[in-house]
Amino acid sequence: EVQLVESGGALAKPGGSLRLSCAASGFSFSNAWMSWVRQAPGKGLEWVGRIRSRSDSGTTDYAAPVKGRFTISRDDSKNTLYLQMNSLKSEDTAMYYCATEAFDIWGQGTMVTVSS
Amino acid sequence: DVVLTQSPLSLPVTLGQPASISCRSSQSLVYSDGNTYLNWFQQRPGQSPRRLIYKVSNRDSGVPDRFSGSGSGTDFTLKISRVEAEDVGVYYCMQATHLRTFGQGTKLEI
Repeated sequence: EVQLVESGGALAKPGGSLRLSCAASGFSFSNAWMSWVRQAPGKGLEWVGRIRSRSDSGTTDYAAPVKGRFTISRDDSKNTLYLQMNSLKSEDTAMYYCATEAFDIWGQGTMVTVSS
Repeated sequence: DVVLTQSPLSLPVTLGQPASISCRSSQSLVYSDGNTYLNWFQQRPGQSPRRLIYKVSNRDSGVPDRFSGSGSGTDFTLKISRVEAEDVGVYYCMQATHLRTFGQGTKLEI
């Protein structure tokens, strides 16, 4: 079964850090470009960033609001995608989804709350 | 940055009647390879988004044929020929030509 399962969401303080994980199964993760998308409570979808496959350079792109604070990485040996979030702000409070770059496969999401 | 503007933002519909959502882009979405990377997603209450349409008009596997996408350049439309109760949710367009951008979402309610 094709599946993405996010984890690591939690309550964090402003200025703090969190690392989210996304475990992939049922497809060739190492060949897949992957993305993170977030959704603040009651709001719309916002693209966070993406990582290319290692064979396509493994480089990353980020949305302006998170550039310089968030880092996307991958461990193909573990079929896992990561989102390292630093210098967290209250406006980063959201459900975070991982998805394939084609956006045809989505995880169930993991909730991040940034509050003092 | 590319801005996608959806209208309407709220769409009350009657079961069995058609519905239409517009998505307008601030820039052409035609990529250098000639393709137009405009997708449509459905997000039912409490669920993750689901892709319905990719590259303007290609329906995903398992998506009912009452859903159709059309458009070109900067102007795109998602149509539902006859709305059913299970179609309630929020619909988003997303462009994948210039990085990625989502529209604000259109809430479809019966």
